[in-house]
Amino acid sequence: EADIYQTPRYLVIGTGKKITLECSQTMGHDKMYWYQQDPGMELHLIHYSYGVNSTEKGDLSSESTVSRIRTEHFPLTLESARPSHTSQYLCASIRGNTIYFGEGSWLTVV
Amino acid sequence: GEDVEQSLFLSVREGDSSVINCTYTDSSSTYLYWYKQEPGAGLQLLTYIFSNMDMKQDQRLTVLLNKKDKHLSLRIADTQTGDSAIYFCAESVNTDKLIFGTGTRLQVFP
Repeated sequence: EADIYQTPRYLVIGTGKKITLECSQTMGHDKMYWYQQDPGMELHLIHYSYGVNSTEKGDLSSESTVSRIRTEHFPLTLESARPSHTSQYLCASIRGNTIYFGEGSWLTVV
Repeated sequence: GEDVEQSLFLSVREGDSSVINCTYTDSSSTYLYWYKQEPGAGLQLLTYIFSNMDMKQDQRLTVLLNKKDKHLSLRIADTQTGDSAIYFCAESVNTDKLIFGTGTRLQVFP
C-alpha cells in the first residue's frame, strides 16, 4: 500500500487568498504529479516533477505553481485563488509501473 | 497527441456482468490501467495490464487488450451495487505520466 498524503482534504476560501495544497510521500519516489479534476469529470495533468528541483507543466494550463525542494514534498500553490479554481486536486507518485494517488484535496473558492 | 476515450454511462442490473470499454491513440503506451472512483473519494487502482499482454484476470475483474485496435475493456463479473462508481481508463506514456479517459459512470440497480 502506497503512503501518499494530501492536506487539506477540504478547504473553502475567499477569492484572492493564497493557498498551498500539501502533498507528501514517504517512499522516496522521484516522480510526482498533480492532477485537477472537476466533479464527475476526467483528470487533467497540471504539473509533474522528476525529482528535486525538477518541475514541469502538464497538459492543462494552470495558474498554480509547484515546487520540489525535497523528494518527499510536492506542494501546489495558488497565489490568488478565484472561483474558477474550485476543483479537486489529486497528487500522485510513481513506483515502478504504477502511479498511486493521494485522497485528494477539494478546494472551493467563494 | 495522446487521447483516451470512454463511453460516459453504463447501467447494469445487479448480478449481471459489466463491460466498460476504452480506446486510446498512443501506440507507444507501455501500461494501461483501470481506476475506480467512488463519489467524493480519491482514485483507487483496480488493475493494470502490460501492453504485450492480451488478458489479465483478477477475481471478478477481467481486462482485455486489443493492441492492434488500441482497445481496452474491463469486465466486472457478478456486478454488485458496491461497484457503482466512475471507472477511469488510463494509459502510461513512457511511464512518465498517465493520460486519463473521461471516465465511465457505472450504475448498478437491483
